[in-house]
Amino acid sequence: KAGVTQTPRYLIKTRGQQVTLSCSPISGHRSVSWYQQTPGQGLQFLFEYFSETQRNKGNFPGRFSGRQFSNSRSEMNVSTLELGDSALYLCASRSPRGTADNSPLHFGNGTRLTVT
Amino acid sequence: SQQGEEDPQALSIQEGENATMNCSYKTSINNLQWYRQNSGRGLVHLILIRSNEREKHSGRLRVTLDTSKKSSSLLITASRAADTASYFCATVIIQGAQKLVFGQGTRLTINP
Repeated sequence: KAGVTQTPRYLIKTRGQQVTLSCSPISGHRSVSWYQQTPGQGLQFLFEYFSETQRNKGNFPGRFSGRQFSNSRSEMNVSTLELGDSALYLCASRSPRGTADNSPLHFGNGTRLTVT
Repeated sequence: SQQGEEDPQALSIQEGENATMNCSYKTSINNLQWYRQNSGRGLVHLILIRSNEREKHSGRLRVTLDTSKKSSSLLITASRAADTASYFCATVIIQGAQKLVFGQGTRLTINP
């Protein structure tokens, strides 16, 4: 079974631009979560989608948004990029039989976003 | 917000030695999970321990949980160079939304 796939692997953008990151979960997984990882703040939860609906949301400004398609693939978008948005963005999927509490997350290798 | 806090932040040991990492959390939990992250890669799930379990083993990994102290430890025995990675504990806050919250992690370096 293929793992979680994130594209692109690396991205360089300038301030004010917008960016879209893509995530393909493990086949059969309908829950997709997004995390931002920085050296200073660690892993911060962005949001979770399940069956095309946002189920949970972290404490990020409205510039961060996401969506999920009927095939469970997910995208996240960041508009009006700021220098502080430079981070590793991780996507993770989970088996539909479990919850966030009792079922492991399967992570992709992330998209490294650099904002200059 | 961080639910778990790992200690130490960084640990460097010789190959073959045991490595112990600790995690403390603030609120009641049902389960606690440990993950490993190699540099620049995604996280990999290692083990899940339930709140009614005190100890759990998986290969060279041993996890303990003390709910009275709100703490957990991860022991890696007979460490190998390939164990060099960051290790994170993660929990779901019972009263909160169903999201997995990670600690800041322990960066483990195994010296050959």
